[in-house]
Amino acid sequence: NAGVMQNPRHLVRRRGQEARLRCSPMKGHSHVYWYRQLPEEGLKFMVYLQKENIIDESGMPKERFSAEFPKEGPSILRIQQVVRGDSAAYFCASSPGIGGENEQFFGPGTRLTVL
Amino acid sequence: DQQVKQNSPSLSVQEGRISILNCDYTNSMFDYFLWYKKYPAEGPTFLISISSIKDKNEDGRFTVFLNKSAKHLSLHIVPSQPGDSAVYFCAAPFGNEKLTFGTGTRLTIIP
Repeated sequence: NAGVMQNPRHLVRRRGQEARLRCSPMKGHSHVYWYRQLPEEGLKFMVYLQKENIIDESGMPKERFSAEFPKEGPSILRIQQVVRGDSAAYFCASSPGIGGENEQFFGPGTRLTVL
Repeated sequence: DQQVKQNSPSLSVQEGRISILNCDYTNSMFDYFLWYKKYPAEGPTFLISISSIKDKNEDGRFTVFLNKSAKHLSLHIVPSQPGDSAVYFCAAPFGNEKLTFGTGTRLTIIP
């Protein structure tokens, strides 16, 4: 199964620690999106990346959050100095490219709990 | 600003009957819509989509209807099955394909 892979599936951090979430897109997909789902809410767009480029980070909090999608390896969403409000499910999606009817395929998510 | 709205947080339907999930949008620039299904502890799974040039798209038990003048779309599932119990999100791509999601409707199929 060459679906979108995310790890870890569950991550527990204490306030002030760093969280690193990884996403490997589907084979052949070069576009990666990160979304966050807070409890009882829908998914909210965070950032859109292509290989080595951030295309749109309009949904990212201005501080403590960063994302990358290097030429080799998975996409990483990094949250520095986590706070309780960062507790959420973080989903990664990938697509083959822009234009047309371009469905995004989602990974299983990483559930971050900040103690 | 919630550009995609699902006003019913939950819906219960008897097995074998029709399930109708509704979605409203405010941005007239949206020209393509998707429905995703989500089970607990899993990521959303693409279900069906519709382009604004159509008013209906059908795939097996699933049909999506689009009423552009009302800025409304609906997902019909018939007949409903127990495996359809999940949270359903409508979504629309905006700008560079980022998706704007509704808040979801939890569908429960009663055996």
